[in-house]
Amino acid sequence: DIVMTQSPDSLAVSLGERATINCRSSQTLFDRSNNKNSLAWYRQKPGQPPKLLIYWASTRESGVPDRFSGSGSGTDFSLTISSLQAEDVAVYYCQQYDSTPLTFGGGTKVEIK
Amino acid sequence: QVQLQESGPGLVRPSETLSLTCTVSRAPITDYYWSWIRQPPGKGLEWLGYMYFTGMINYNPSLKSRVTISVDISKNQMSLRLTSVSAADTAVYYCARARLLHYFDFWGQGALVTVSS
Repeated sequence: DIVMTQSPDSLAVSLGERATINCRSSQTLFDRSNNKNSLAWYRQKPGQPPKLLIYWASTRESGVPDRFSGSGSGTDFSLTISSLQAEDVAVYYCQQYDSTPLTFGGGTKVEIK
Repeated sequence: QVQLQESGPGLVRPSETLSLTCTVSRAPITDYYWSWIRQPPGKGLEWLGYMYFTGMINYNPSLKSRVTISVDISKNQMSLRLTSVSAADTAVYYCARARLLHYFDFWGQGALVTVSS
């Protein structure tokens, strides 16, 4: 199984400031057949299901604000919130879809400082 | 907008079988792949398996011997059965649409299932 490790476990950021979450996979997620990385990011607000933010490591899902961006390749990835808003208080998860079983990171809790 | 709704008993006794149904609205279940994912209280997400209406199914090996996913095309529903449950199976169970077997773009609100005597 591909193990997904997120860091930090939690972070507190002031409103309007940048937040960066890291995700590392135990195997490369780069697919040479399409030159893409098989990684997605989700935001889960309290009491709600996860919401897809980013796929293919850096493609923003339709309707997702452009303050969210994804980067990285191979085994190291990041999700950046360029200007934290109150509604971004949530737990964020990365997920690999390179191979089954599909696996998620342990989550990073983002709070307001 | 695709809608998914999980339904089933909220309490299951240890060693018995957990059964849930996911009703899909505003999208034919035959057009996409569908998954079950669970989340123990206060913990992370675990993928249980996915299915396609043709009968193609892939289970998480960690649960493979206990889990069954099936589809009822006539009702536009997917079902989950998990046998021999224990307290470790207490979780919110989500059904979700899997875009191209990859990531999950639509989720149900989730159904909390507690395993307790």
